[in-house]
Amino acid sequence: GNSVTQMEGPVTLSEEAFLTINCTYTATGYPSLFWYVQYPGEGLQLLLKATKADDKGSNKGFEATYRKETTSFHLEKGSVQVSDSAVYFCALTSNQAGTALIFGKGTTLSVSS
Amino acid sequence: EAGVAQSPRYKIIEKRQSVAFWCNPISGHATLYWYQQILGQGPKLLIQFQNNGVVDDSQLPKDRFSAERLKGVDSTLKIQPAKLEDSAVYLCASSPHADGEAFFGQGTRLTVV
Repeated sequence: GNSVTQMEGPVTLSEEAFLTINCTYTATGYPSLFWYVQYPGEGLQLLLKATKADDKGSNKGFEATYRKETTSFHLEKGSVQVSDSAVYFCALTSNQAGTALIFGKGTTLSVSS
Repeated sequence: EAGVAQSPRYKIIEKRQSVAFWCNPISGHATLYWYQQILGQGPKLLIQFQNNGVVDDSQLPKDRFSAERLKGVDSTLKIQPAKLEDSAVYLCASSPHADGEAFFGQGTRLTVV
């Protein structure tokens, strides 16, 4: 079945450090890939997405590239801020209409000044 | 636009009691999801509605969980009787399309004691 595996946290960084959170997936067909973020005390929100191979999703300085050959969708940011401290979830949907998001376990990021 | 509304935000009940959660999706969104998020894990789909019809309820424990979406708008999720392992955050999400990109409410945190 479809599944998502993401690196375990917590990830602790200093402000302005480079961030990578690894995500790999198992899926039949051609899934769409997502990163969702959950800030403290808030609901899940979409951070970025990519719907086909080699697409790059980007938002708020974060980027992720859909790599079909390595079945990966790693999240990167060149310079993190304290305000980026949150839990990040990698997720996928299959290309079939009506299929809901399948999430990884989440990675907690803590950024200190 | 108004977001996905859920109530209550918090609920504490004893095992074997019943509980109900309510969700009002974003206006016009045909697809509604209920997810269960156990501490330290990613959200897991319980049920997906398209308008007022069920698309996927394969992971809903039907011996104790039930859900309905009246008139294709609001939805309720019920647990009867509750077990200790039902302690989790219950998330409602909605989407204008059945393509996975979803808007989440803040969730209801259920504690079963």
